[in-house]
Amino acid sequence: GQQLNQSPQSMFIQEGEDVSMNCTSSSIFNTWLWYKQDPGEGPVLLIALYKAGELTSNGRLTAQFGITRKDSFLNISASIPSDVGIYFCAGRGAQGGSEKLVFGKGTKLTVNP
Amino acid sequence: NAGVTQTPKFRILKIGQSMTLQCAQDMNHNYMYWYRQDPGMGLKLIYYSVGAGITDKGEVPNGYNVSRSTTEDFPLRLELAAPSQTSVYFCASSYSLQGLFFGSGTQLSVL
Repeated sequence: GQQLNQSPQSMFIQEGEDVSMNCTSSSIFNTWLWYKQDPGEGPVLLIALYKAGELTSNGRLTAQFGITRKDSFLNISASIPSDVGIYFCAGRGAQGGSEKLVFGKGTKLTVNP
Repeated sequence: NAGVTQTPKFRILKIGQSMTLQCAQDMNHNYMYWYRQDPGMGLKLIYYSVGAGITDKGEVPNGYNVSRSTTEDFPLRLELAAPSQTSVYFCASSYSLQGLFFGSGTQLSVL
């Protein structure tokens, strides 16, 4: 089945630093989504990307849909303590079964004040 | 709007018991999903539905059943609970192929 490789697995940064994480796949995707999950809660949608090459921002967050349609990255600028959490990428495949959303294994972000 | 509501929040089952995890959404979304989340493993799709009366298997459907008799509700049934089903379960909904909205999860332990 389709798989997403998300990296890094974890990051430890100082408050104020910028963060970058990415997802890659051997398959082509029609949609890339980025989620954040806080402990004990469900994932919350941060950014949705629907077109190859699309670059979208949401406050300090910026995400891009790779031109090859096989990758996406998420940047967080000037990190703050509330950015702590697990970030997941997710994609909808271009082949049959595009209703299904495939998730990466997550990037755990720790921000030291 | 309540969004996606899951009940219960926590449950402990004995091996072999059965239970139903409830999920309801009030956003008139046509697509609904059940995922399970194990530590360090991301989310794995159990079952999904693209509309009332239609359900399909996801990546890990064994040991589970679903039904979708209304647009709003998508219950997940465990018939014979096993320790391997200890996990956190998330229900989600979306309008067609747009982003998913998740509930707050059900933490299930099977002992």
